[in-house]
Amino acid sequence: AQSVTQLGSHVSVSEGALVLLRCNYSSSVPPYLFWYVQYPNQGLQLLLKYTSAATLVKGINGFEAEFKKSETSFHLTKPSAHMSDAAEYFCAVSLAGGYQKVTFGTGTKLQVIP
Amino acid sequence: NAGVTQTPKFRILKIGQSMTLQCTQDMNHNYMYWYRQDPGMGLKLIYYSVGAGITDKGEVPNGYNVSRSTTEDFPLRLELAAPSQTSVYFCASSPEGTGVGEQYFGPGTRLTVT
Repeated sequence: AQSVTQLGSHVSVSEGALVLLRCNYSSSVPPYLFWYVQYPNQGLQLLLKYTSAATLVKGINGFEAEFKKSETSFHLTKPSAHMSDAAEYFCAVSLAGGYQKVTFGTGTKLQVIP
Repeated sequence: NAGVTQTPKFRILKIGQSMTLQCTQDMNHNYMYWYRQDPGMGLKLIYYSVGAGITDKGEVPNGYNVSRSTTEDFPLRLELAAPSQTSVYFCASSPEGTGVGEQYFGPGTRLTVT
């Protein structure tokens, strides 16, 4: 069984400030982890993925995430928020091997204040 | 390369009516999915398919049916629409192997049942 928990359904940051969106996972075996972004009235778009290679993963638009097994976390960060980062972000987990169910978190809406 | 396309973008149905949501992908992905997204609830998997001719139920299949006669197309059928089916529906596809969690989403269909 697998699950993800996203802390905070809404996060507000000032433009230029650090963005930190939290994701904790639960998995019986080593997982694959993903962050997706959803802009208003659009589908989800993959930001980055962890598939057991480097623990620090860089994605698009300056985002990165670090896989920490000891903390079962995969938090998403960006050093300096931009107005265009305002969107909803989803953490997701799946397992390796053939078809495995992908479980999405409930999402965190990021507001960027000018 | 269009990716995943969905039609229609919007639809209003009366209770008891039926309709088919269309989904097509041009990436030659074997895996395809239908999700529904309700506010604050993340994504719920309705049905998925691991290849042409093979489909299976997800978390919330009641009231829906699917078919997969080709690799490209994965239509979702709503029979006897109910207000509880008011939602935004997303189709997605993914490559096999480690890419299972790397899903490509369509732009969504916003359905209202009144």
